[in-house]
Amino acid sequence: DTAVSQTPKYLVTQMGNDKSIKCEQNLGHDTMYWYKQDSKKFLKIMFSYNNKELIINETVPNRFSPKSPDKAHLNLHINSLELGDSAVYFCASSQVDVGSPLHFGNGTRLTVT
Amino acid sequence: GQQVMQIPQYQHVQEGEDFTTYCNSSTTLSNIQWYKQRPGGHPVFLIQLVKSGEVKKQKRLTFQFGEAKKNSSLHITATQTTDVGTYFCAGLYDYKLSFGAGTTVTVRA
Repeated sequence: DTAVSQTPKYLVTQMGNDKSIKCEQNLGHDTMYWYKQDSKKFLKIMFSYNNKELIINETVPNRFSPKSPDKAHLNLHINSLELGDSAVYFCASSQVDVGSPLHFGNGTRLTVT
Repeated sequence: GQQVMQIPQYQHVQEGEDFTTYCNSSTTLSNIQWYKQRPGGHPVFLIQLVKSGEVKKQKRLTFQFGEAKKNSSLHITATQTTDVGTYFCAGLYDYKLSFGAGTTVTVRA
């Protein structure tokens, strides 16, 4: 039983395209996140939702738009993809709020050519 | 803004030896968390420290939170090949969790 699942695992696309990554958690957690991990393994928070409400919105280009249809799902849509968007994107969830331990999904490796 | 610095960036260890990775913050943290990411995998939560001076152990791993709640350490004894991976600390300050850059550990058999 996967706790935090995200699809797809790999995403290869060309510059200028629009793509989406989906995430679902079956842990009953209240808060979900999107993190970006660059080639140097640095983990950077992008967004956080608590019960479908946006609570953290870091300095991210507005080409990135998160959507949370319910508290178990948090999707990430990216418009007009750029080379610099290539990274691994991790979805995560936590039981209560930002201070609670994170449960990460397996990641989506995005490659923009 | 609040930053969490983690050193060393890389740690090459002989199997059986001990090593320590350190985490330092410019501000007093509400808590600190540690994660391990195996090569090709995702970060996995190891432990959370909340109290000043707190020490917690998980088998060969010892985690410590400084008295001022500005630094933390992870000490691994008798390193095994299963310890390979990147260890991240993450400090909570002002409702924001900031990750260190990680310590990537390789083990020589």
